[in-house]
Amino acid sequence: DIQMTQSPSSVSASVGDRVTITCRASEGVGSWLAWYQQKPGKAPRLLIYAAYTLESGVPSRFSGSGSGTDFTLTISSLQPEDFATYYCQQAKSFPISFGQGTRLEVK
Amino acid sequence: EVQLVEAGGAVVQPGGSLRLSCEASGFNVADYAMYWVRQGPGKGLEWVSLIGWDHASAFYADSVKGRFTISRDNSKNSLYLQMNSLRTEDTALYYCAKTKDGYNSDPPDHWGQGTLVTVSS
Repeated sequence: DIQMTQSPSSVSASVGDRVTITCRASEGVGSWLAWYQQKPGKAPRLLIYAAYTLESGVPSRFSGSGSGTDFTLTISSLQPEDFATYYCQQAKSFPISFGQGTRLEVK
Repeated sequence: EVQLVEAGGAVVQPGGSLRLSCEASGFNVADYAMYWVRQGPGKGLEWVSLIGWDHASAFYADSVKGRFTISRDNSKNSLYLQMNSLRTEDTALYYCAKTKDGYNSDPPDHWGQGTLVTVSS
């Protein structure tokens, strides 16, 4: 089974900051990597798929990179609505797996 | 507009059964691989099951294999999750989700609001 490990588990930042979240797979997943944003009481929202493709309607301050085992999600300039929990997910092989989540908090 | 509406969540005793449903609109469930994902109280996302676009394949997390069954009814444009032999650790909010372009390897791009399952004596 492929394990997905995110770091950090939580991060504090301010509006305007650049934030990077890392996701590492226990074995290669090619580019079958997606990123989600989840706010309290809401369903997850797809941000990035195929490692770096921005989902329609997602602001361009979000970007993804990486392939194989190491991936990053970058928010170039934090906005107030970006404080949330972020998850990575691999769909290269079953069982599908999510990272444990990274909570982005206001500093 | 794509919409997914889950139902069927309830409080159930350990060992009991429950059937969740997910009614879709704005697309045909027959044309897409579909997910069930759950989230325990204060916890992260956990993939539960996927039914393939090919109408024949179904996949399960080890934690539910042999106890849960995913299915769909194309005539009702709905997805289901039959949950048997429920355990306290199955307590969670259960989401259904549609894959982006229909294939098993595509990520979910639309999610329902979730239905709450509580397993407790």
